[in-house]
Amino acid sequence: KNEVEQSPQNLTAQEGEFITINCSYSVGISALHWLQQHPGGGIVSLFMLSSGKKKHGRLIATINIQEKHSSLHITASHPRDSAVYICAAVGNQFYFGTGTSLTVIP
Amino acid sequence: NAGVTQTPKFQVLKTGQSMTLQCAQDMNHEYMSWYRQDPGMGLRLIHYSVGAGITDQGEVPNGYNVSRSTTEDFPLRLLSAAPSQTSVYFCASKETHQETQYFGPGTRLLVL
Repeated sequence: KNEVEQSPQNLTAQEGEFITINCSYSVGISALHWLQQHPGGGIVSLFMLSSGKKKHGRLIATINIQEKHSSLHITASHPRDSAVYICAAVGNQFYFGTGTSLTVIP
Repeated sequence: NAGVTQTPKFQVLKTGQSMTLQCAQDMNHEYMSWYRQDPGMGLRLIHYSVGAGITDQGEVPNGYNVSRSTTEDFPLRLLSAAPSQTSVYFCASKETHQETQYFGPGTRLLVL
């Protein structure tokens, strides 16, 4: 049983497309993270959300606490956005999704 | 600041060998943790520490030992490596009352 489910597992997009990655969780949380893992393997924290919406450049993250759902949006996608995006829910521990592998084609 | 550093980056072991994966952070974070990442399973918590001298088990602790003699260092020991421990290992740290974790670059381990 996964406490955090992400969809889709894999996503291929053309450069410039608007991208949405979804995350649903089943545990009570104090915060939710979106992480980015590049092909080299390093993991970077993109956002930490406890409510509402956050924006950083072309990336937007939203969370709906009542529905236990979060989304990561990428506007005007670019090949350098190609990475694995991981959702992590913070309850009494970190619960990680299995990741969404995004490939943006020029 | 170097952030979170891990050594080695790559390692190949034979079944039954022992080794230590090193993790260090220079941000004076009290909380440190070790994860393994396997295809289709996401990141899973192995062990964590809330401060020097204190360690606790995570989701998948079997086959691994940790110690925390200083705030900066949190080594992960494999006493007798098994092929099932082939994985990518990430160390992370954070301030105790903050939620953002900082990840190391990872160690890729292959056990033959």
